[in-house]
Amino acid sequence: KNQVEQSPQSLIILEGKNCTLQCNYTVSPFSNLRWYKQDTGRGPVSLTIMTFSENTKSNGRYTATLDADTKQSSLHITASQLSDSASYICVVSELNTGFQKLVFGTGTRLLVSP
Amino acid sequence: DVKVTQSSRYLVKRTGEKVFLECVQDMDHENMFWYRQDPGLGLRLIYFSYDVKMKEKGDIPEGYSVSREKKERFSLILESASTNQTSMYLCASSLSLGARKNYEQYFGPGTRLTVT
Repeated sequence: KNQVEQSPQSLIILEGKNCTLQCNYTVSPFSNLRWYKQDTGRGPVSLTIMTFSENTKSNGRYTATLDADTKQSSLHITASQLSDSASYICVVSELNTGFQKLVFGTGTRLLVSP
Repeated sequence: DVKVTQSSRYLVKRTGEKVFLECVQDMDHENMFWYRQDPGLGLRLIYFSYDVKMKEKGDIPEGYSVSREKKERFSLILESASTNQTSMYLCASSLSLGARKNYEQYFGPGTRLTVT
């Protein structure tokens, strides 16, 4: 069964600190992996998309890595800010002939504390 | 700028009522999606549409139907709302689905539906 698992489920860090969120997946065949940020009560907003051939991609203070061999990804947040408090969702796209089916993780809830 | 809007942010309905959730996108996207999001579960696909009047079932279509009469508008219908349909409903849109393309899905703000 295609699954995406994220860890930790929740995390509290002090403002200014760095953190790393993890994502493991069993989705096959693989098309791409996305990280989304979802503020409370809002829809998810894309941070990065990585294909099989990409092993790192940055978006400002967010850096995502992908190891397609071990089927693992991480999202590193540098110099955290209060506005980084949100849920971060890892999403893997399954490649098939018809369309890209997205498999969503349950998210990591990050709280940045002053 | 990309925009997906949903008709209501919060909605409270009674069991057995017929419920309409509306979604509009202004990006001329071919594809539109309805998901529901529940605590402890990832987003789950209810229905999607790849063209006007075309629809495909997602993973959890039971108890729902959809309508796409115009390209920019995709409606989710709960024929007879039940308490287990209390959830956050998210609409998304994207350019044409191609198996080898990584088109972004843009999400609306969500509708939090409570069925009592």
